[in-house]
Amino acid sequence: GENVEQHPSTLSVQEGDSAVIKCTYSDSASNYFPWYKQELGKGPQLIIDIRSNVGEKKDQRIAVTLNKTAKHFSLHITETQPEDSAVYFCAAHTLNFGNEKLTFGTGTRLTIIP
Amino acid sequence: NAGVTQTPKFQVLKTGQSMTLQCAQDMNHNSMYWYRQDPGMGLRLIYYSASEGTTDKGEVPNGYNVSRLNKREFSLRLESAAPSQTSVYFCASSVRQPGELFFGEGSRLTVL
Repeated sequence: GENVEQHPSTLSVQEGDSAVIKCTYSDSASNYFPWYKQELGKGPQLIIDIRSNVGEKKDQRIAVTLNKTAKHFSLHITETQPEDSAVYFCAAHTLNFGNEKLTFGTGTRLTIIP
Repeated sequence: NAGVTQTPKFQVLKTGQSMTLQCAQDMNHNSMYWYRQDPGMGLRLIYYSASEGTTDKGEVPNGYNVSRLNKREFSLRLESAAPSQTSVYFCASSVRQPGELFFGEGSRLTVL
Protein backbone atom coordinates (compact mmCIF):
# COMPACT_ATOMS: atom_id res chain seq x y z
CA GLY A 1 0.00 0.00 0.00
CA GLU A 2 0.84 3.68 -0.11
CA ASN A 3 3.41 5.05 2.34
CA VAL A 4 3.78 8.79 2.93
CA GLU A 5 6.80 10.16 4.75
CA GLN A 6 6.83 13.75 5.99
CA HIS A 7 9.78 15.87 7.14
CA PRO A 8 10.63 17.60 9.36
CA SER A 9 8.48 16.61 12.32
CA THR A 10 9.05 20.03 13.93
CA LEU A 11 10.06 23.33 12.36
CA SER A 12 10.67 26.74 13.90
CA VAL A 13 11.12 29.84 11.75
CA GLN A 14 11.37 33.56 12.41
CA GLU A 15 8.30 35.58 11.55
CA GLY A 16 8.62 36.82 7.99
CA ASP A 17 10.88 33.96 6.87
CA SER A 18 9.82 31.07 4.65
CA ALA A 19 8.93 27.53 5.74
CA VAL A 20 9.21 24.38 3.64
CA ILE A 21 7.71 20.97 4.50
CA LYS A 22 8.51 17.95 2.34
CA CYS A 23 6.68 14.68 1.71
CA THR A 24 7.52 11.58 -0.29
CA TYR A 25 5.11 8.88 -1.43
CA SER A 26 5.63 5.35 -2.62
CA ASP A 27 2.73 4.52 -4.96
CA SER A 28 3.19 5.92 -8.46
CA ALA A 29 -0.60 5.59 -8.97
CA SER A 30 -1.26 8.37 -6.43
CA ASN A 31 -3.02 11.22 -8.21
CA TYR A 32 -4.12 13.82 -5.65
CA PHE A 33 -2.05 15.50 -2.93
CA PRO A 34 -3.76 17.73 -0.34
CA TRP A 35 -2.24 19.63 2.55
CA TYR A 36 -4.14 20.12 5.80
CA LYS A 37 -3.55 22.57 8.65
CA GLN A 38 -4.59 21.64 12.17
CA GLU A 39 -4.81 24.27 14.87
CA LEU A 40 -4.83 23.33 18.53
CA GLY A 41 -8.07 21.64 19.55
CA LYS A 42 -9.51 21.72 16.04
CA GLY A 43 -9.96 19.32 13.19
CA PRO A 44 -7.64 19.51 10.15
CA GLN A 45 -8.61 21.97 7.43
CA LEU A 46 -7.59 21.85 3.77
CA ILE A 47 -5.29 24.71 2.80
CA ILE A 48 -4.14 23.71 -0.69
CA ASP A 49 -4.12 20.67 -2.94
CA ILE A 50 -2.54 19.59 -6.21
CA ARG A 51 -3.38 16.95 -8.77
CA SER A 52 -0.89 14.77 -10.58
CA ASN A 53 -1.22 16.59 -13.90
CA VAL A 54 0.03 19.85 -12.36
CA GLY A 55 3.58 20.70 -11.21
CA GLU A 56 2.93 23.72 -9.03
CA LYS A 57 0.02 25.60 -7.48
CA LYS A 58 -0.04 28.86 -5.55
CA ASP A 59 -2.57 30.55 -3.32
CA GLN A 60 -1.35 33.85 -1.89
CA ARG A 61 1.48 33.00 0.55
CA ILE A 62 1.30 29.24 0.19
CA ALA A 63 2.41 27.05 -2.69
CA VAL A 64 2.73 23.36 -3.36
CA THR A 65 5.12 21.70 -5.81
CA LEU A 66 4.92 18.15 -7.13
CA ASN A 67 7.68 16.07 -8.69
CA LYS A 68 6.04 12.90 -10.01
CA THR A 69 9.30 11.38 -11.21
CA ALA A 70 10.88 11.62 -7.77
CA LYS A 71 7.54 11.01 -6.02
CA HIS A 72 7.79 13.96 -3.71
CA PHE A 73 5.77 17.10 -3.04
CA SER A 74 6.41 20.12 -0.86
CA LEU A 75 4.52 22.89 0.91
CA HIS A 76 6.04 26.37 0.83
CA ILE A 77 4.84 29.17 3.11
CA THR A 78 6.35 32.60 2.48
CA GLU A 79 6.30 35.69 4.72
CA THR A 80 5.27 33.58 7.69
CA GLN A 81 2.97 35.05 10.33
CA PRO A 82 2.14 33.97 13.91
CA GLU A 83 -1.19 32.55 12.74
CA ASP A 84 0.72 30.07 10.57
CA SER A 85 1.76 28.21 13.76
CA ALA A 86 -0.03 24.85 13.59
CA VAL A 87 0.47 21.20 12.66
CA TYR A 88 0.55 20.53 8.92
CA PHE A 89 -0.27 17.18 7.28
CA CYS A 90 0.41 16.09 3.75
CA ALA A 91 -1.56 13.27 2.15
CA ALA A 92 -1.62 11.19 -1.01
CA HIS A 93 -4.71 9.73 -2.68
CA THR A 94 -4.62 6.47 -4.58
CA LEU A 95 -7.20 4.55 -6.59
CA ASN A 96 -6.32 0.89 -6.88
CA PHE A 97 -8.74 -1.75 -8.16
CA GLY A 98 -11.74 0.37 -7.26
CA ASN A 99 -10.52 1.20 -3.75
CA GLU A 100 -10.02 4.89 -2.96
CA LYS A 101 -7.52 5.60 -0.22
CA LEU A 102 -6.08 8.79 1.29
CA THR A 103 -2.87 8.21 3.26
CA PHE A 104 -1.62 10.93 5.59
CA GLY A 105 1.90 11.83 6.61
CA THR A 106 2.81 11.98 10.29
CA GLY A 107 2.61 15.78 10.54
CA THR A 108 4.92 18.78 10.99
CA ARG A 109 4.54 21.10 13.96
CA LEU A 110 5.38 24.58 12.65
CA THR A 111 6.18 27.31 15.17
CA ILE A 112 6.56 30.92 14.06
CA ILE A 113 8.87 32.89 16.35
CA PRO A 114 7.80 36.56 16.69
CA ASN B 1 -23.85 26.20 8.78
CA ALA B 2 -22.59 23.68 11.37
CA GLY B 3 -20.54 21.50 8.96
CA VAL B 4 -19.49 18.25 10.69
CA THR B 5 -20.64 17.78 14.28
CA GLN B 6 -19.25 15.09 16.58
CA THR B 7 -20.46 14.02 20.00
CA PRO B 8 -19.25 13.59 22.65
CA LYS B 9 -16.14 15.80 22.67
CA PHE B 10 -14.61 13.98 25.64
CA GLN B 11 -15.21 10.52 27.10
CA VAL B 12 -13.49 8.32 29.66
CA LEU B 13 -14.22 4.60 29.58
CA LYS B 14 -13.09 1.59 31.54
CA THR B 15 -11.64 -1.40 29.72
CA GLY B 16 -14.47 -3.56 28.37
CA GLN B 17 -17.11 -0.84 28.28
CA SER B 18 -18.88 0.04 25.05
CA MET B 19 -19.74 3.37 23.54
CA THR B 20 -20.82 5.03 20.31
CA LEU B 21 -19.37 8.17 18.78
CA GLN B 22 -21.92 10.12 16.78
CA CYS B 23 -21.25 12.19 13.68
CA ALA B 24 -23.58 14.28 11.55
CA GLN B 25 -22.94 16.54 8.55
CA ASP B 26 -25.28 19.11 7.05
CA MET B 27 -23.47 19.65 3.73
CA ASN B 28 -25.28 16.91 1.79
CA HIS B 29 -22.00 15.07 1.28
CA ASN B 30 -21.98 11.54 -0.08
CA SER B 31 -18.87 10.19 1.65
CA MET B 32 -18.12 10.03 5.36
CA TYR B 33 -15.08 8.83 7.28
CA TRP B 34 -13.79 7.99 10.75
CA TYR B 35 -10.11 8.61 11.52
CA ARG B 36 -8.07 8.23 14.64
CA GLN B 37 -5.15 10.50 15.47
CA ASP B 38 -2.28 9.34 17.67
CA PRO B 39 0.95 11.20 18.48
CA GLY B 40 3.58 10.70 15.80
CA MET B 41 1.26 8.62 13.61
CA GLY B 42 -0.78 11.13 11.72
CA LEU B 43 -4.38 10.32 10.81
CA ARG B 44 -5.33 6.71 10.18
CA LEU B 45 -8.58 5.68 8.54
CA ILE B 46 -10.76 3.33 10.59
CA TYR B 47 -13.86 3.00 8.37
CA TYR B 48 -15.47 4.95 5.59
CA SER B 49 -18.78 5.12 3.78
CA ALA B 50 -18.55 6.12 0.14
CA SER B 51 -22.29 6.60 -0.08
CA GLU B 52 -25.44 6.01 1.91
CA GLY B 53 -25.92 2.28 2.47
CA THR B 54 -22.27 1.28 2.06
CA THR B 55 -19.39 0.96 4.53
CA ASP B 56 -15.83 -0.30 4.07
CA LYS B 57 -12.84 -1.01 6.27
CA GLY B 58 -9.94 1.37 6.35
CA GLU B 59 -6.43 0.90 7.64
CA VAL B 60 -7.20 0.12 11.33
CA PRO B 61 -10.76 -1.34 11.61
CA ASN B 62 -10.19 -3.95 14.32
CA GLY B 63 -12.25 -3.33 17.46
CA TYR B 64 -14.66 -0.93 15.75
CA ASN B 65 -18.00 -1.08 13.97
CA VAL B 66 -19.81 1.60 12.01
CA SER B 67 -23.32 2.43 10.88
CA ARG B 68 -24.30 4.82 8.10
CA LEU B 69 -27.69 5.62 9.51
CA ASN B 70 -28.70 7.93 6.64
CA LYS B 71 -26.93 10.40 4.37
CA ARG B 72 -26.27 12.79 7.27
CA GLU B 73 -25.15 10.45 10.04
CA PHE B 74 -22.25 8.03 10.48
CA SER B 75 -21.60 6.47 13.88
CA LEU B 76 -18.57 4.62 15.25
CA ARG B 77 -19.03 1.97 17.93
CA LEU B 78 -16.51 0.44 20.28
CA GLU B 79 -18.02 -2.82 21.54
CA SER B 80 -15.39 -3.63 24.18
CA ALA B 81 -13.00 -0.74 24.70
CA ALA B 82 -9.27 -1.39 25.17
CA PRO B 83 -6.51 0.99 26.34
CA SER B 84 -5.03 0.82 22.81
CA GLN B 85 -8.15 2.67 21.61
CA THR B 86 -7.24 5.75 23.64
CA SER B 87 -7.02 8.38 20.91
CA VAL B 88 -8.59 11.43 19.33
CA TYR B 89 -11.26 10.45 16.83
CA PHE B 90 -12.23 12.60 13.88
CA CYS B 91 -15.22 12.29 11.63
CA ALA B 92 -15.00 13.79 8.15
CA SER B 93 -17.13 14.11 5.05
CA SER B 94 -16.56 14.88 1.38
CA VAL B 95 -18.63 15.46 -1.72
CA ARG B 96 -16.60 12.93 -3.70
CA GLN B 97 -13.25 11.14 -3.82
CA PRO B 98 -10.68 12.49 -4.28
CA GLY B 99 -11.69 15.78 -2.84
CA GLU B 100 -11.62 18.05 0.17
CA LEU B 101 -12.34 16.42 3.51
CA PHE B 102 -14.30 18.48 6.03
CA PHE B 103 -13.43 17.42 9.57
CA GLY B 104 -15.29 17.70 12.83
CA GLU B 105 -13.56 19.06 15.91
CA GLY B 106 -12.71 15.64 17.29
CA SER B 107 -13.66 13.38 20.18
CA ARG B 108 -11.00 12.65 22.79
CA LEU B 109 -11.44 9.15 24.17
CA THR B 110 -9.50 7.74 27.12
CA VAL B 111 -9.76 4.06 28.02
CA LEU B 112 -8.48 3.16 31.48
